[in-house]
This record gives sequence, C-alpha cells and structure tokens, in this order.
Amino acid sequence: AQSVTQPDIHITVSEGASLELRCNYSYGATPYLFWYVQSPGQGLQLLLKYFSGDTLVQGIKGFEAEFKRSQSSFNLRKPSVHWSDAAEYFCAVGTYNTDKLIFGTGTRLQVFP
Amino acid sequence: NAGVTQTPKFQVLKTGQSMTLQCAQDMNHNSMYWYRQDPGMGLRLIYYSASEGTTDKGEVPNGYNVSRLNKREFSLRLESAAPSQTSVYFCASWGAGNTYEQYFGPGTRLTVT
Repeated sequence: AQSVTQPDIHITVSEGASLELRCNYSYGATPYLFWYVQSPGQGLQLLLKYFSGDTLVQGIKGFEAEFKRSQSSFNLRKPSVHWSDAAEYFCAVGTYNTDKLIFGTGTRLQVFP
Repeated sequence: NAGVTQTPKFQVLKTGQSMTLQCAQDMNHNSMYWYRQDPGMGLRLIYYSASEGTTDKGEVPNGYNVSRLNKREFSLRLESAAPSQTSVYFCASWGAGNTYEQYFGPGTRLTVT
C-alpha cells in the first residue's frame, strides 16, 4: 500500500542551527513529492515539490529537499533556522496519473532563541 | 484572486445537529477535496471531486456527504454530528499542468459537544 512516513513527531532546534526533517515513502509508481508547511491556525502552504530532473529541489523560505530514490526518501533541509520557521511540516506523495495526494502525519518544529 | 475560501472559520455543534461547510475556489480548478486534520493523524481525505458533477469517497467518508455544486464550489455536510467529528476541516483544489499542486483553504475548526 502507498504510504508516507515522517518518523519525527516533534523536533526542537535552536535558532541559527541547521535542520533536517525526514520523509520516507512507499509508492509503486514514479512519485511526485511535496513538502507543505502549516503555521498555527493556518492552512497549508507549499514549500517545494519534485517531479523529475535534478534531485535537489529549492523551495521558498530558504528550504531545500533532496530526492533519493534508493532510500525512498525526500528529506527537507534548511541551513539556518529562524524563529518564524516554527510550524508543522507535512510531506506528501502523488503520481502523474492521479490527482490525489497521500500525506504524512507531520513533524512539529519548535525553535528556541 | 482569493484562492480557496472556506466558511465558517469556527463552529460549535451539539451532538445530532447538522451543518454544511462551504468551500469555493476561483482558480478554475477541476479537482477539489475535503480533508480532516486530527493531532498525530496528519490530513485524511474525506471526499474528493475530480470534476463538476462527480464525487468519490476518500479514506474517512463515514458520517459525511458532499455536493459539487458547480466548478467553483464543493460543500461538506454533516447530517448528524458526533463528537468524533470534532476536527479541523480543510478544503483544497488541484492545479494541474505547470502548477501541479494542491491549494488549501484556511480551515474550519469544528467542535461537537
């Protein structure tokens, strides 16, 4: 069955530290991969997406993600976290022949000054 | 261009009451979705509509009905609310082609007592 796993429920980092949020997927077809961010009380906003080509994808707010087919992973990274990055982050997977996404359970990021 | 809008933002219902959550998008998207978000569960698809006049069940459809009124609007109805339906509900629409991503509304926080 298709699934997305975000192994870290909650991550705490200091402001200025680097960040990596993990995402693993199980999908039979060639995946399309997404990272969304949800600030408290808000809807979801797309950070970045991967369809094909360069496996390192740049997104908004200084985030990037790397697709590793051999590891079935699409981890999100940021070199230096800002306090405003505190939010919940969701990984999602789809494919070219469907208009539905499967979401992971999310990772809540807390940033300490 | 308002994107995806939802009404109401907050609602409190008593068990057994009914209500309809409204969603509209102004991006001329064909596909629309209703999700619920619960702590630790991520986003779960309730119903979706691939085009005007069509609807399909998602992962958690029990206790809900939907109507795709026209291309813009997709409503979610709770006929007899239960405490288990306390959740945050998100509507989304799908932009195919170059914008291949789901766009989310701001959400409706529903409490059933």
